[in-house]
Amino acid sequence: QKEVEQDPGPLSVPEGAIVSLNCTYSNSAFQYFMWYRQYSRKGPELLMYTYSSGNKEDGRFTAQVDKSSKYISLFIRDSQPSDSATYLCAMSGETSGSRLTFGEGTQLTVNP
Amino acid sequence: NAGVMQNPRHLVRRRGQEARLRCSPMKGHSHVYWYRQLPEEGLKFMVYLQKENIIDESGMPKERFSAEFPKEGPSILRIQQVVRGDSAAYFCASSPNYKNTGELFFGEGSRLTVL
Repeated sequence: QKEVEQDPGPLSVPEGAIVSLNCTYSNSAFQYFMWYRQYSRKGPELLMYTYSSGNKEDGRFTAQVDKSSKYISLFIRDSQPSDSATYLCAMSGETSGSRLTFGEGTQLTVNP
Repeated sequence: NAGVMQNPRHLVRRRGQEARLRCSPMKGHSHVYWYRQLPEEGLKFMVYLQKENIIDESGMPKERFSAEFPKEGPSILRIQQVVRGDSAAYFCASSPNYKNTGELFFGEGSRLTVL
């Protein structure tokens, strides 16, 4: 079983839709949760960063962490064609530092 | 450009040759990480280095792979006697300090193709 499970998609939505991306994990030691966005043929860029459980909002993006269920989500409101990318969840623990464990990534296409 | 710089961006090697990938971290960053992205798979941690020290190489294959981050110059990921299964995108990331727990800055990657 993989430590982090993420539906690879692909996911296709119309412009303006609300997008929900999710990951589940099995390692209870994970404390830091991130979402990275990766455009085609580019490196990942950090989108959202959350410590432990709770919600975090940044513009059109909201990250949620439910440690009791070992489940994290990223919501994108009013999605735009420029949001078309692969979204990677990533996690680490107190002792693993920046040795991140990534999900496989979900490929998102927002159609104009 | 103050970002993480990787070169070459694309590298083609025949089986049995050596591949050397270079990474210059962001200015002011002293921690370098290498990740590998195989086709249809997520990023996998390989190694974490500071200047002149390998801190964590738990993700490195036991043979043919090595990494260094010398006092002067870029970090280098070296793959000896490449095989087709080494074909992947290799990403370097940097961070400013050890307590940074996930906020990595990635380069654009080096794409290795083994013929």
